[in-house]
Amino acid sequence: DAMVIQNPRYQVTQFGKPVTLSCSQTLNHNVMYWYQQKSSQAPKLLFHYYDKDFNNEADTPDNFQSRRPNTSFCFLDIRSPGLGDAAMYLCATSRDPVGGQEKLFFGSGTQLSVL
Amino acid sequence: AQSVTQPDIHITVSEGASLELRCNYSYGATPYLFWYVQSPGQGLQLLLKYFSGDTLVQGIKGFEAEFKRSQSSFNLRKPSVHWSDAAEYFCAVGARNNDMRFGAGTRLTVKP
Repeated sequence: DAMVIQNPRYQVTQFGKPVTLSCSQTLNHNVMYWYQQKSSQAPKLLFHYYDKDFNNEADTPDNFQSRRPNTSFCFLDIRSPGLGDAAMYLCATSRDPVGGQEKLFFGSGTQLSVL
Repeated sequence: AQSVTQPDIHITVSEGASLELRCNYSYGATPYLFWYVQSPGQGLQLLLKYFSGDTLVQGIKGFEAEFKRSQSSFNLRKPSVHWSDAAEYFCAVGARNNDMRFGAGTRLTVKP
């Protein structure tokens, strides 16, 4: 009964080669988030969608883009991956925006390696 | 902006021993506090949360946490640790600006 599904589980790409990570949800939640988590660090919010409204964090590099074609799916596009982009990428959802009280539902993540 | 500090990067306890993981937060208003657990190679799962009311909150898997406003703390506890509790634990604080900040995490190792 997976509720937030991320594919693939592991992704290997080459330096500078565009890569797309996908996330789908069966919860019908309004908000979808992408977090980057490097080894032994806290998850860092990259951006989120509230319905179709895109909200980018101020320090998210331009190299990272996102698409949400419908309620269920959200994609993370890395246009030109660098070695420093190797990380676990976590997708999360919430029913409403995290105005403090909403909890997040996480997928299992995609571990990205850049060669 | 809100922030979270988890002073302990790594903690080792023996199975059956009690556990306390520390979390300190910084936020100008009443915080919304969370503890999440992450098993290796997995996403994060919510253990418990505090919004208001009783300062001692119960969570899943036998965990509890106590909110202490005077100390700006929200420490996680468990009276008797099981081997399956070995994981990374993240404290997080939510705010009305639609932002949730995570601490750097505490890795728990459980010795047989």
